[in-house]
Amino acid sequence: EVQLVESGGGLVKPGGSLRLSCAASGFTFSSYSMNWVRQAPGKGLEWVSSISSSSSYIYYADSVKGRFTISRDNAKNSLYLQMNSLRAEDTAVYYCAREWEGDYWGQGTLVTVSS
Amino acid sequence: SSELTQDPAVSVALGQTVRITCQGDSLRSYYASWYQQKPGQAPVLVIYGKNNRPSGIPDRFSGSSSGNTASLTITGAQAEDEADYYCNSRDSSGKGVFGGGTKLTVL
Repeated sequence: EVQLVESGGGLVKPGGSLRLSCAASGFTFSSYSMNWVRQAPGKGLEWVSSISSSSSYIYYADSVKGRFTISRDNAKNSLYLQMNSLRAEDTAVYYCAREWEGDYWGQGTLVTVSS
Repeated sequence: SSELTQDPAVSVALGQTVRITCQGDSLRSYYASWYQQKPGQAPVLVIYGKNNRPSGIPDRFSGSSSGNTASLTITGAQAEDEADYYCNSRDSSGKGVFGGGTKLTVL
């Protein structure tokens, strides 16, 4: 069974940093691209970043480029999102999703940026 | 940057057919994926590619595309189909983009 479990969310002050993790199981993690998608409270989905299976291709939304860094460790079956210079507008549930099409999603982890 | 436009809300009578649309320039080159999201839950992929359903998705869900418009059709809508629906695609630079979402009400 494919499972994606996000962790690392929490309350952080504006300007702070946070590192999200997504633990994958039930499939060959190294064969799949991965994505981070977020959803602000009461709002729609927003694509954040994608990384190819071997990390050769990485893409970011303009809203996070230069502040967020996506990475993966195929040996640990894990996906990461390093978030720096956080802003109030980054407050959202952050989901990891498998493959460009997003065929499997985790349950999300809440990031709250507030003073 | 690429944008995908969806109607904010659509309603359908129980058992009838409803089409949810998504418009954007990137759809001329890339297929849309469609997701269903119910309150408090993670999104679920319902359609991807030309018209592919993941395992477990009922065959009343189908997808189509023409020009800059992608459509998700639910034939014989059920009460459990009431949810938010989002389209998603990529632009030529590889960046992803979601539509604003359509709230489907089943009457």
